[in-house]
Amino acid sequence: DVKVTQSSRYLVKRTGEKVFLECVQDMDHENMFWYRQDPGLGLRLIYFSYDVKMKEKGDIPEGYSVSREKKERFSLILESASTNQTSMYLCASYRLLGELFFGEGSRLTVL
Amino acid sequence: DQQVKQNSPSLSVQEGRISILNCDYTNSMFDYFLWYKKYPAEGPTFLISISSIKDKNEDGRFTVFLNKSAKHLSLHIVPSQPGDSAVYFCAGTARNNFNKFYFGSGTKLNVKP
Repeated sequence: DVKVTQSSRYLVKRTGEKVFLECVQDMDHENMFWYRQDPGLGLRLIYFSYDVKMKEKGDIPEGYSVSREKKERFSLILESASTNQTSMYLCASYRLLGELFFGEGSRLTVL
Repeated sequence: DQQVKQNSPSLSVQEGRISILNCDYTNSMFDYFLWYKKYPAEGPTFLISISSIKDKNEDGRFTVFLNKSAKHLSLHIVPSQPGDSAVYFCAGTARNNFNKFYFGSGTKLNVKP
């Protein structure tokens, strides 16, 4: 059974803290994505990666960075968390001509 | 600028009837579309896809229709069941653009028993 695993389901952080969200997929997919979901705004693409060490900005990359050192792992980093980054974060990997497989999501609250 | 739009934030349907969820897109390069269902506090789950070479795709109770000239998709659920109550997202991509998927804002479907 295919799986995308996100490291933390719920996190509470303080403003200014560095936050790491990790995502691991077991499907040997080339493409991986980070989205955030906010009410009324749907899923907005933060960053995506099409290969190891390769990354591209999505629509809302400000305040975020990513790391893809191994094919199966794609990490999202908030260098200095702010309250407007409180959101649900969703990682996905992609099977060509198939579908995006999503993780369970990480609910981040920044106080 | 939203490239994929779902203009109905919510939809309420009686159990057993048809649910029709709509989606519009602006990018004429989009050639592949997906529909997802999402429950609160869970990741989205894949429902059905359609390529631009088709105008219809069916999978059980779910059918997706694509009207390329109108840049419009619709998802039909027949018959609707209470367990279908969730938020539905459509997504589109141009496959020659790194498969970068753009999502709509979602439609919350409520199926009443």
